[in-house]
Order: sequence, then C-alpha cells, then structure tokens
Amino acid sequence: EAQLVESGGGLVQIGGSLRLSCVASGFTFSTYDMHWVRQVTGKGLEWVSNIGSGGDTYYLHSVRGRFTISRQNAKSSLFLQMNSLRAEDTAVYYCARKFCGRSSCSFDIWGLGTMVTVSS
Amino acid sequence: QSVLTQPPSASGTPGQRVTISCSGSSSNIGTNVVNWYQLLPGTAPRLLIYNNDQRPSGVPDRFSGSKSGTSASLAISGLQSEDEADYFCAAWEDSLRRDVFGSGTKVTVL
Repeated sequence: EAQLVESGGGLVQIGGSLRLSCVASGFTFSTYDMHWVRQVTGKGLEWVSNIGSGGDTYYLHSVRGRFTISRQNAKSSLFLQMNSLRAEDTAVYYCARKFCGRSSCSFDIWGLGTMVTVSS
Repeated sequence: QSVLTQPPSASGTPGQRVTISCSGSSSNIGTNVVNWYQLLPGTAPRLLIYNNDQRPSGVPDRFSGSKSGTSASLAISGLQSEDEADYFCAAWEDSLRRDVFGSGTKVTVL
C-alpha cells in the first residue's frame, strides 16, 4: 500500500528555520512528481512547492527564496527546508504524490501532515 | 483568499442528498479537470473524485462529481455519519501555472 509519512514540524520563532521530511513507501518514489501542500487552520488548502521526477522545482510566490524543496530517491524521501519563517507560514504541511493518468492529474496519495507553528 | 469558491458549509440528515458547488473561471475549471478531496480530522486527505467525475477504487458510488462551464459539483447521496468532513475542490490554474484549491466546505450530518 502506498504511504507517505511526514515529520519535522514544530514550534519555531519568526525568522527561524525548520526542515520537513516525508518518507514514501509502497511505490517507486523516483518516478513521481512530489508536492507540499499546506492548510492554515480553518482555511483552504494551498499548494506550496513541488519537485519533478527529473528534479525540476517550483514554488508558491510567497515562499520562493525562503523554502527549498529537495528529494533523495535512494531513501524515498522528500524534504522542505523552510528558512526566514513568517507567522503566515503557520499551517499543517502535507506531502502529496501527483499521479497523472491518460487525461488528467491528481494528488492521489497524501500523508497525515505535520504541524508548523511560527510564533514570536 | 482561495481561487475556487465553495460554500463554507452544507448539511443533511442521514440518507439525504447533499451537493457542494465549486465556482471558478475560464483559466481553471473552464479549461482543466476538477478533482475533489475529503479531509477527515486525524486522517490523511483522500482523493474522492478525479477528472471531473471519476471515482478512485474504494470510493463509494454515492459520491459523484460533475462539471459544467466554470463550475463543478460534488454530490453525496445517501448521506452517512462518516461523511462528516471537509471537502475541497481543486484544479490547475493556467494563469498561475499551479494547482489551486477551493475554500473548503464542511459537511455536517444532522
């Protein structure tokens, strides 16, 4: 069974850093585009960043230059290095796999999420 | 502010049919497929509907999706207590070149 498990969240001060990790199992991690999606408490979901199977990276405008996504295929792991954290980055961060079929793509596997709280 | 608009809440009694709307524009729902996700507290988000109206294996057939123009809908027929959750629509946004999500709808089973 395909599974994603995030870790690394916690409480950090404004301007601080955190590194989120996501370990995949049950599928060939290296062949999939992987994403980070966050949810502020009581608000909607927001795409944050993704890394393609070929290593290309993309970021939400508000996190570009502060967050860095990376992957280590040998360990089926995805990472999100978050620097210069702001209060508005407080959210549950989900790791998600993007599956593309013949005619469409969707986030078909998600982790439980890890909570990041940025406070003064 | 979410790009896709959903009603904040919906409710029904067990057995009823509940419909959730998702309103977008020509640059997202109007030209791209819509997916729906279910978020239950303490569990991983679950893909409920993909490609507008397709159900992944394991999703009960009482969940159905549809799309028309720049809007989409998720219907839950034969509402059950375990359907009490938050539901989000999603689509690719051409102008932003990224996935965008709806504001979310909390379904309550009365």
